[in-house]
Amino acid sequence: DVKVTQSSRYLVKRTGEKVFLECVQDMDHENMFWYRQDPGLGLRLIYFSYDVKMKEKGDIPEGYSVSREKKERFSLILESASTSQTSMYLCASSARDRGHQPQHFGDGTRLSIL
Amino acid sequence: DAKTTQPPSMDCAEGRAANLPCNHSTISGNEYVYWYRQIHSQGPQYIIHGLKNNETNEMASLIITEDRKSSTLILPHATLRDTAVYYCIGPFIYNQGGKLIFGQGTELSVKP
Repeated sequence: DVKVTQSSRYLVKRTGEKVFLECVQDMDHENMFWYRQDPGLGLRLIYFSYDVKMKEKGDIPEGYSVSREKKERFSLILESASTSQTSMYLCASSARDRGHQPQHFGDGTRLSIL
Repeated sequence: DAKTTQPPSMDCAEGRAANLPCNHSTISGNEYVYWYRQIHSQGPQYIIHGLKNNETNEMASLIITEDRKSSTLILPHATLRDTAVYYCIGPFIYNQGGKLIFGQGTELSVKP
């Protein structure tokens, strides 16, 4: 069965902290994605990656960076957390044929920045 | 971006079929339609996708009209656990690696 695992379901951090969100998939998928989901705004793409060490900016990359050192792991980094980054963060993965392969999601990390 | 239109909410009796409609009139010929759902406080769950022909899997059936401007997701025997927000997804944007564009979705309530 498809499995995308995010390291934490709930996380509370302070303004200015560097925050790491981890995502691991066990499906040998090439593509991985980070979204955030906010009420009324739907899903917004932050970053994605087609392959190890590759990354592409999505719609809202400001204030975030990513790392993909291994195929199965995609990390999202909040360089200096701000209250505006309080959100639900969702990681997803899909197989290489990205036009026709579904994305599979983790259960999300609900991040609160105080 | 391609737009999809769904009713904001629907009710369904437990054990009955739930039919969720979606309009996607701007879809082009080689673009797939995907359906996801999201149960409260969980990540979106992939249900099914299709191009032209009707599709069926263990979760649901997808009926796509001949002109491909609309589709219907069918849950044949809805259960209380099917209560969720259902999203009909517009086509992937290839130059952004397959970004999913979630609209507001349909909030399905399955009632005993």
